[in-house]
Amino acid sequence: NAGVMQNPRHLVRRRGQEARLRCSPMKGHSHVYWYRQLPEEGLKFMVYLQKENIIDESGMPKERFSAEFPKEGPSILRIQQVVRGDSAAYFCASSPKQAQFGYTFGSGTRLTVV
Amino acid sequence: DQQVKQNSPSLSVQEGRISILNCDYTNSMFDYFLWYKKYPAEGPTFLISISSIKDKNEDGRFTVFLNKSAKHLSLHIVPSQPGDSAVYFCAASGSGTASKLTFGTGTRLQVTL
Repeated sequence: NAGVMQNPRHLVRRRGQEARLRCSPMKGHSHVYWYRQLPEEGLKFMVYLQKENIIDESGMPKERFSAEFPKEGPSILRIQQVVRGDSAAYFCASSPKQAQFGYTFGSGTRLTVV
Repeated sequence: DQQVKQNSPSLSVQEGRISILNCDYTNSMFDYFLWYKKYPAEGPTFLISISSIKDKNEDGRFTVFLNKSAKHLSLHIVPSQPGDSAVYFCAASGSGTASKLTFGTGTRLQVTL
C-alpha cells in the first residue's frame, strides 16, 4: 500500500534546461495536487488535476510551467527553461475524490538550478 | 498578501508540557482549516482539521480551537513528546473542501527532555 511516490527526490538542472517532476498517486486516487515550497516559506498551491483534466491551475506561473495527469501513468510537472528562482521543493498530493479532509503528500522533489 | 499567518517561527517546550501553536487568517471566505506536521526531507502529514461550523475538534493529544470572530486558530498538543519536534503548518480552504489549501509559513516546534 504505497503512498504518494515522487521522483526524482533530488534534481539538479542548469539554467535553461527542462525539469520534469513525476508524481504517482496512491492506488485508487484520481485527484492530484501540486504545491511548491520556496526556502523559508509555506507551501504554495500550483495546480489541481483529475485524470486527463486540469481543474484549477490558478497557482501556476503563466509561462514555462505546465502539468498533466494522463489516463495512464504518473502526473508530470514540467518546467521549461529553468531559472535559479525555480529552485524549491515541489510536493505532490493525492486524494480519492475531491478532498474533504487533509490529503496525502509525497516526500517531494528538491529542484536545484545551478 | 499572506492570508494565513503563523507569527511564531519557532517554539520550544519541555516534554510533558502543553504546546500551543497559533495561526491567524485574514480571508473571511475560509471555512475549513487544517494542521500539517512536517519532518525534514519529508512531505507534510495531515494532523487534524476543523470546519468553521465548529469551535473545537479533538483527536487524542491534539486539539484544534477556532475563534471565527478573531480569525484565529490554535493547535494544542498535550502532553508534548520529543517525537512531536517538527515544523507545523496551518492551512485554510475556502471552497468547502480541501482542494486548494493556503498555507502559513510554519512554526518549528522543539520538544526538549
